[in-house]
Amino acid sequence: DVKVTQSSRYLVKRTGEKVFLECVQDMDHENMFWYRQDPGLGLRLIYFSYDVKMKEKGDIPEGYSVSREKKERFSLILESASTNQTSMYLCASTGAGAGETQYFGPGTRLLVL
Amino acid sequence: QQQVKQSPQSLIVQKGGIPIINCAYENTAFDYFPWYQQFPGKGPALLIAIRPDVSEKKEGRFTISFNKSAKQFSLHIMDSQPGDSATYFCAASNGNAGKSTFGDGTTLTVKP
Repeated sequence: DVKVTQSSRYLVKRTGEKVFLECVQDMDHENMFWYRQDPGLGLRLIYFSYDVKMKEKGDIPEGYSVSREKKERFSLILESASTNQTSMYLCASTGAGAGETQYFGPGTRLLVL
Repeated sequence: QQQVKQSPQSLIVQKGGIPIINCAYENTAFDYFPWYQQFPGKGPALLIAIRPDVSEKKEGRFTISFNKSAKQFSLHIMDSQPGDSATYFCAASNGNAGKSTFGDGTTLTVKP
């Protein structure tokens, strides 16, 4: 079974802090994604990566950056957290052998005070 | 511009009822249409998916109906159970780096 893990289930941070969210997948998937999920807004794509060191902006990249130094790990960085970044953050991966199905991690609920 | 529109936003049915969730898409290049199920505190997980070469796919109590000409697809849950209470997302993709476009989600409550 594909496993996507996220470093934290819950995080509480203060406005202006730098925040790192980490995601690791164990199925050698090429593509990895970061979404945020807010009530009534569905899943909005922040950034995705189709290879190591490659990244592409999604629909809402402002205020975020990403890093992919190893194939299995994709990090989301909030350079200076703001209260409007309070949300559920979901990581997903897909690749050869997975078809186009995305495999999601359990999510990180971030509260910015 | 939202490319996949999902309705309704929420749905309440009695046990045994047949909830139906609808999605409409705009991009005719989409060729894979999955539905994901998400329970509270969990990430979404694939429930069932269809490609546009068939009009219907059934897996257990879950059925996708697909209308290519209308650019619409829907999820039907037969004999719904309280354990089906979850948020359901439709999605569409066209093989572009594995990217999917998601609907806004439907929160389903099945009452005992």
